[in-house]
Parts: sequence; C-alpha cells; structure tokens
Amino acid sequence: GAGVSQSPRYKVTKRGQDVTLRCDPISSHATLYWYQQALGQGPEFLTYFNYEAQPDKSGLPSDRFSAERPEGSISTLTIQRTEQRDSAMYRCASSRTMGNEQFFGPGTRLTVL
Amino acid sequence: DAKTTQPPSMDCAEGRAANLPCNHSTISGNEYVYWYRQIHSQGPQYIIHGLKNNETNEMASLIITEDRKSSTLILPHATLRDTAVYYCIVRGPANQAGTALIFGKGTTLSVSS
Repeated sequence: GAGVSQSPRYKVTKRGQDVTLRCDPISSHATLYWYQQALGQGPEFLTYFNYEAQPDKSGLPSDRFSAERPEGSISTLTIQRTEQRDSAMYRCASSRTMGNEQFFGPGTRLTVL
Repeated sequence: DAKTTQPPSMDCAEGRAANLPCNHSTISGNEYVYWYRQIHSQGPQYIIHGLKNNETNEMASLIITEDRKSSTLILPHATLRDTAVYYCIVRGPANQAGTALIFGKGTTLSVSS
C-alpha cells in the first residue's frame, strides 16, 4: 500500500474487555513495530517483528499484551482484560529492513472506560 | 531511557532558520543520530540521520560535532507547518538487536509569523 494503515482509528471499550488492533504495513516492508503513546509523551516501544519473527517484545507492559504477524505482513496487537491505564494512542510503524527509517501509521486511539 | 537531552521548547520566526540542539554525550562509536518530528496528533515523521559526517536533505541539515557528543538539526527556512515536536534519537546499527526508536520528550518548536 501507499502508507501504513491502522484500524480502527478509534476504539472505546469497557474495562475488562479484550481489544485487537490491526496494522497493515507498507507492502514489502520486512520490519514492523508497535509503539504506545500516552498524551503529551513520545511513543514508547512495545515490540517488533522481522517478517513473522518477533525478536523483541521487551516493551510489552504485561502478559495481557500480545502481538502477531503470522504471514509476515499484517500484524495485530491484542490487549486482554483491558484496564483504564491502557488508554493511549497505539502506533504502528514499518521499515524496509531493520535499521531503515520507520514510517508511522495514523494510530489507533484506545479509550478504556 | 532516552540517551539524548533536548530543550523542552523553542520559538522561531517564520522564514528564519531553526536550530534545534541535542546532547548525546554517551553515544557509542557505532550509534547513529536520528531526528524525527511529530506534527500535532500525526504519527512521527523521519527527518534525517547521520553517524559522524554532516548530512543534508530536502528537509533539513544535521550538524554533528567532531566528538559526536552533540548535534544540531537545522531547518533553513522555517514555515508555520514546521511547528511540531522534534525528537533526537540515538540508535544502534541495523545489524544489532533493538532497532526500535527510543523517544525522549523532544523539543516543541513553535514557528510564528
């Protein structure tokens, strides 16, 4: 695609519910990153994929967070049993390979009530 | 934690050069200096990066001191659309693990007419 796309753009959920966010990277980009951005702060790294491999998930804040990229293209970020502190903008980025410039998507604004 | 220090905010008159400083005194020999910016609620946008030589592209120039402990991003003719948060990021080479971007607080640049 022309750019990184994410869906949904906005998600409101109740505490305790599970949510799944989707990222569609730029086609042919091998590397995909997930970041969490709180209001007024810079993005914070969650995890990344190189094709379908997930070499680093050290940024995931708890075991309620998980991510997949089963075919090395589209990725999903799932948050189980959401809590109010999970409310944030979730941003996906992709790059041609590791170390290249990252192109960011528009983000998904998650609000947990 | 971010390995860089930036002033929290700067002002610049439209049409003038904006010089954004960054300190990275603990940078390693194989680490690059990257600059990204984030306009309002959009995703971060890559600007430029360098290792030890000065770099220039269509967006900006990057001046890195000889000891590599600091750098300056220069927007030669700032416009109102350059108003954004600018992030200076130190990042390892592509063949190392941890290619994620570690964002600090950045510098909020306000360009006024």
